[in-house]
Amino acid sequence: NAGVMQNPRHLVRRRGQEARLRCSPMKGHSHVYWYRQLPEEGLKFMVYLQKENIIDESGMPKERFSAEFPKEGPSILRIQQVVRGDSAAYFCASSPLEVGTEAFFGQGTRLTVV
Amino acid sequence: QKEVEQDPGPLSVPEGAIVSLNCTYSNSAFQYFMWYRQYSRKGPELLMYTYSSGNKEDGRFTAQVDKSSKYISLFIRDSQPSDSATYLCAMSEASGSARQLTFGSGTQLTVLP
Repeated sequence: NAGVMQNPRHLVRRRGQEARLRCSPMKGHSHVYWYRQLPEEGLKFMVYLQKENIIDESGMPKERFSAEFPKEGPSILRIQQVVRGDSAAYFCASSPLEVGTEAFFGQGTRLTVV
Repeated sequence: QKEVEQDPGPLSVPEGAIVSLNCTYSNSAFQYFMWYRQYSRKGPELLMYTYSSGNKEDGRFTAQVDKSSKYISLFIRDSQPSDSATYLCAMSEASGSARQLTFGSGTQLTVLP
């Protein structure tokens, strides 16, 4: 859905570098979700945020990954010291409702770690 | 065992055929059921969602949920080449901290002209 904006669309990082993925939700949406899609697999939940709060990060790896959704500006998914296994498509979704039934996805950021 | 099982296909049908896509699940707490369509290298696009059991129709698409069998289906009538995509089922619980969607692995569909 064009309403959820993600950038960059493609990101190449060398092993050990940091990756920053940005997501601007649809207008009026205050709930943001990050998902990761590995090749030939479905989307896996990572984290659910509201403005200035992390609500559920049960899908986030314990190390190197962090997410924020500040009062002003986009939501950021940050991956420190990237490894080849982090190569995937990362999708952001936004919703006006807590339950996330009508979550609209962005076009994704394709991260390649070389 | 995965929480949501979906036959990955690939599935090829001739134009005009009726397509049936299915998912099974194990978590009885799932209350919301969704179907997304994903074109290659694009984001998932919400097609339909239903709450609890029953049927829902939208144009050429019909979604069915059978909670007693833990089985959901998406039917596409008069399929078109533009329907060629990967179809993902997704589910969520109604309340609590489990607000995330749990996805199937997707079924790749090709509609041949």
